[in-house]
Amino acid sequence: IAGITQAPTSQILAAGRRMTLRCTQDMRHNAMYWYRQDLGLGLRLIHYSNTAGTTGKGEVPDGYSVSRANTDDFPLTLASAVPSQTSVYFCASSPTGSDYGYTFGSGTRLTVV
Amino acid sequence: GENVEQHPSTLSVQEGDSAVIKCTYSDSASNYFPWYKQELGKRPQLIIDIRSNVGEKKDQRIAVTLNKTAKHFSLHITETQPEDSAVYFCAANDSGGYQKVTFGIGTKLQVIP
Repeated sequence: IAGITQAPTSQILAAGRRMTLRCTQDMRHNAMYWYRQDLGLGLRLIHYSNTAGTTGKGEVPDGYSVSRANTDDFPLTLASAVPSQTSVYFCASSPTGSDYGYTFGSGTRLTVV
Repeated sequence: GENVEQHPSTLSVQEGDSAVIKCTYSDSASNYFPWYKQELGKRPQLIIDIRSNVGEKKDQRIAVTLNKTAKHFSLHITETQPEDSAVYFCAANDSGGYQKVTFGIGTKLQVIP
């Protein structure tokens, strides 16, 4: 692994199903983030984590949950997917988050039908 | 929390001309301002950033300026090339220890050959 990895690359999911998007980084960054990107709406923060063991809600957290059991992994779970969660999801990490740039993963394109 | 406004939303320039993208922010305590470039179908990537202790920073054909009094910052691209075509996002960090940034809505830049 070099940098930050997301899986899967894309997924078609039936409404009501549970889904976990995976994110792993090997840069030992403290801060990690989940964003969704929709046309015309830019990057909207779903959840974030300043350090392992802590998480916080972003701008659009409803319907999503996260965990940060260790420094490297930051999975995003959709408990019961709905069509409005169709989006491109980006995971990102940063050494501190507030005064260093983010490194983004390559994204997961999720379609809920 | 921080609010970042970005304009224009779209910008078309002839190859070789300059492009300017402007952002304003609301939190006077913000002190870190990164810019990201996102090519079509790709992840956002950090291209330049500026901290509040300087008013301008240059890197080859791109430069950022910061006016803390007016709470605005700008991205300047000179001698534009077709490969500069992308969506550009500005961001400003949130004060209060939240360890994250707030993004602008994005500017779609088209460089016409």
